[in-house]
Amino acid sequence: DTAVSQTPKYLVTQMGNDKSIKCEQNLGHDTMYWYKQDSKKFLKIMFSYNNKELIINETVPNRFSPKSPDKAHLNLHINSLELGDSAVYFCASSRSGTGGLYNEQFFGPGTRLTVL
Amino acid sequence: AQSVTQLDSHVSVSEGTPVLLRCNYSSSYSPSLFWYVQHPNKGLQLLLKYTSAATLVKGINGFEAEFKKSETSFHLTKPSAHMSDAAEYFCVVIPNYGGSQGNLIFGKGTKLSVKP
Repeated sequence: DTAVSQTPKYLVTQMGNDKSIKCEQNLGHDTMYWYKQDSKKFLKIMFSYNNKELIINETVPNRFSPKSPDKAHLNLHINSLELGDSAVYFCASSRSGTGGLYNEQFFGPGTRLTVL
Repeated sequence: AQSVTQLDSHVSVSEGTPVLLRCNYSSSYSPSLFWYVQHPNKGLQLLLKYTSAATLVKGINGFEAEFKKSETSFHLTKPSAHMSDAAEYFCVVIPNYGGSQGNLIFGKGTKLSVKP
């Protein structure tokens, strides 16, 4: 069974459209994340979310919004897509740490978004 | 501010020869450090982690890394490269303080090529 899954794997769309990427984890984790990997392979956190709070990276445009219907899912919704949104988006999950202590994050396979 | 620098964007070795991927970090707090590997068109996999226990850390697939506080380094090594080691490698830091939220800070990656 896949631990962290994302759909779709590839997404090609026009500028201005609204799209969603789904993420599901079956690990029983209570914290989930979204990362963006740009064309130069640089990975950056976009959001972290558990059932208590959403932490947003301040550099993320408000066109991006995470939506969590339950603990096992954290979907990424993007409004008014722009060319610069083209990237690979990774979902991850972990158990909650305490005092900032690290719990291993498990990553999904990624969704390659291409905006034309 | 916390950051991590991978000194080489591309490393090429011959199969059977040693691998050295260099990483330096900057952290105001005692950090946790990790190496992740990303095979082509795949998600990220944790290779190994340092979390203030033994300074020499052994990971999967024969990789190991040594935490050297005096040099602020966490270089990744392997005695003998395998063709299957060809991938992108990311050095990652997470600052250990209460407000860090467990967010990973990624280096820009080192692409490892292995020649037959």
